[in-house]
Amino acid sequence: DAGVTQSPTHLIKTRGQQVTLRCSPKSGHDTVSWYQQALGQGPQFIFQYYEEEERQRGNFPDRFSGHQFPNYSSELNVNALLLGDSALYLCASSSTATNEKLFFGSGTQLSVL
Amino acid sequence: AQSVTQLGSHVSVSEGALVLLRCNYSSSVPPYLFWYVQYPNQGLQLLLKYTSAATLVKGINGFEAEFKKSETSFHLTKPSAHMSDAAEYFCAVGTSYDKVIFGPGTSLSVIP
Repeated sequence: DAGVTQSPTHLIKTRGQQVTLRCSPKSGHDTVSWYQQALGQGPQFIFQYYEEEERQRGNFPDRFSGHQFPNYSSELNVNALLLGDSALYLCASSSTATNEKLFFGSGTQLSVL
Repeated sequence: AQSVTQLGSHVSVSEGALVLLRCNYSSSVPPYLFWYVQYPNQGLQLLLKYTSAATLVKGINGFEAEFKKSETSFHLTKPSAHMSDAAEYFCAVGTSYDKVIFGPGTSLSVIP
């Protein structure tokens, strides 16, 4: 049983560009959360998707947007990239039915030059 | 609003010594509390969680944590450190399992 998978593992972009990160949740999970982890810091909650809608959102600008597909996979989009967007982006999945713990993927390392 | 502070961004212990990583939280409602571990180039793995049952929580790899409401603390301990325990440790607070607020982390080094 695959856990949470994220792609790509590494990405390099330049300022002003747009990026899309992808996440496939653990089998049986219906909720996907995204976190940004800057170097040397703890993960910061970006938003959460359930039933293809954004259910909760952290303190991130509208440049950060997302989507959830019918198969529960999710995308994180960031527009107009800034140098400060360089970070490890973590996806976590969970199940509303079982209310079990968050399962994290290994993340996508985004570097903005 | 909920928040977490972790005292000490870096902690070094000798192999076989006691591990103590400190965490204090702020929450206006009864919290869920978690400790996660992150190894280099990996995602986060749950070590243990407190959800208003027993105040002393046992987790994986010999770790445990004690919830002290009066001190708003949830410190992580392990009686004897192993080299494989070297990693980044994050304390987190939440109102449910699926939205958690993480602390800044403590990097644990184990000296042979």
